[in-house]
Amino acid sequence: DVKVTQSSRYLVKRTGEKVFLECVQDMDHENMFWYRQDPGLGLRLIYFSYDVKMKEKGDIPEGYSVSREKKERFSLILESASTNQTSMYLCASSKGGGRAKNIQYFGAGTRLSVL
Amino acid sequence: DQQVKQNSPSLSVQEGRISILNCDYTNSMFDYFLWYKKYPAEGPTFLISISSIKDKNEDGRFTVFLNKSAKHLSLHIVPSQPGDSAVYFCAASATNFNKFYFGSGTKLNVKP
Repeated sequence: DVKVTQSSRYLVKRTGEKVFLECVQDMDHENMFWYRQDPGLGLRLIYFSYDVKMKEKGDIPEGYSVSREKKERFSLILESASTNQTSMYLCASSKGGGRAKNIQYFGAGTRLSVL
Repeated sequence: DQQVKQNSPSLSVQEGRISILNCDYTNSMFDYFLWYKKYPAEGPTFLISISSIKDKNEDGRFTVFLNKSAKHLSLHIVPSQPGDSAVYFCAASATNFNKFYFGSGTKLNVKP
C-alpha cells in the first residue's frame, strides 16, 4: 500500500512565523503535490514537483514555497504565516514524471491554524 | 474560476437507496475524471475513474456516468450504506495537462 505521511496533524502558529510542513511518501513516486482544502473551495493546488529539485507553481502559490531535495520528501514552506493561510493542507504523490493522469495518493492532512 | 463544480454541498440518503452525486465541468479539453472519497481526519482516497472514451464505468456498488455533451458526470452508489457517509470530490484532467482540477466536494450522509 502506498503511504503518504505528513509530519503533523495539527499545528498552531503565530502570524509572521516561518512554517514548515513535511511530507514523505514510500512508493518511489516521481510526482508530489501540495493542496489546501477550504470549505466551499475544494482542493486547490499550491505547488507540485515532478522530480528532485524541480518545482512548479499551482493555482495559488503566493505566500508559499517548496523544497524537494530527495525524491521521497516534499516540504511546503510558509515564509511568513498569515491568518488567511489557516487551512487544511494535503500532500499527495503519484507515479510518472509529468503525467497528470496517474492516480494521486493523499496524506491525512495537516490542519494549520495561524493566530 | 472553478473549472470543476459540485453544486450540491450536501446530500442525505436513506440506507439501501441510491445516492447520486453530480459534477459539472467547463473545460472541453478534460478527458479523464476521478472520484475521491474523504472521511474526516483522513486524506482523500481514490474511488473510481472514467476516461472520455467511455460513458460509464462500474465498480461494485459504484458507477460513474459521463455525459460529454453536457459536460457532466455523476457518481451513483447503489445501495447506499452508512459507511459511505463521507465527502466526495470529483477531479478532472486532460492529456496535455499536468494537474487535476478538483470540485468543492459533496458531503454525503447515509442514514441507517
